[in-house]
Amino acid sequence: NAGVTQTPKFRILKIGQSMTLQCTQDMNHNYMYWYRQDPGMGLKLIYYSVGAGITDKGEVPNGYNVSRSTTEDFPLRLELAAPSQTSVYFCASARGPPPLNSPLHFGNGTRLTVT
Amino acid sequence: AQSVTQLGSHVSVSEGALVLLRCNYSSSVPPYLFWYVQYPNQGLQLLLKYTSAATLVKGINGFEAEFKKSETSFHLTKPSAHMSDAAEYFCAESYDKVIFGPGTSLSVIP
Repeated sequence: NAGVTQTPKFRILKIGQSMTLQCTQDMNHNYMYWYRQDPGMGLKLIYYSVGAGITDKGEVPNGYNVSRSTTEDFPLRLELAAPSQTSVYFCASARGPPPLNSPLHFGNGTRLTVT
Repeated sequence: AQSVTQLGSHVSVSEGALVLLRCNYSSSVPPYLFWYVQYPNQGLQLLLKYTSAATLVKGINGFEAEFKKSETSFHLTKPSAHMSDAAEYFCAESYDKVIFGPGTSLSVIP
């Protein structure tokens, strides 16, 4: 009964370093999303995927990359970390697409600090 | 463009008092609307969703929300606040993509 699993939970990066945030889901959901959460700003969509091999940009994609080689996994890549990428990152999945009423299932988040 | 506004970034209520968290959506076509709750250091969990079947929607933990098209609102209420309700609450609109409001932090005073 794992749902959406994100690793790591916490990470500190130096400016210019790279890292991959991992996300996996065991619900066989086709739709997967990456959001970042900043205080007072709600959640902003970074990238999303409607199925294996298909990804698209969200509201704030700059500085990030994604891939979707399997239904289960949707990793988020930061190539050159910048302080502006300090945030809490959430991965989510859904059974169906907007505008259907499929709710999002969220992981517990990755708290990233770039110094 | 889609947008969701939540009036009040922070709301404090006494235990046992009415909880009212406000949400207004922007879509001219009635969208699908959701309320999510986030407890500290956790992801978001679905509280309730509006799918046009009924204007008053009941969710988990005694929460409910009423869809009012004339006011483009989807306010969340609970008759009697409990300490365990202290959390961050997000309203979301789903049309061609899911858009979240900025969130309202609810504090419950004993």
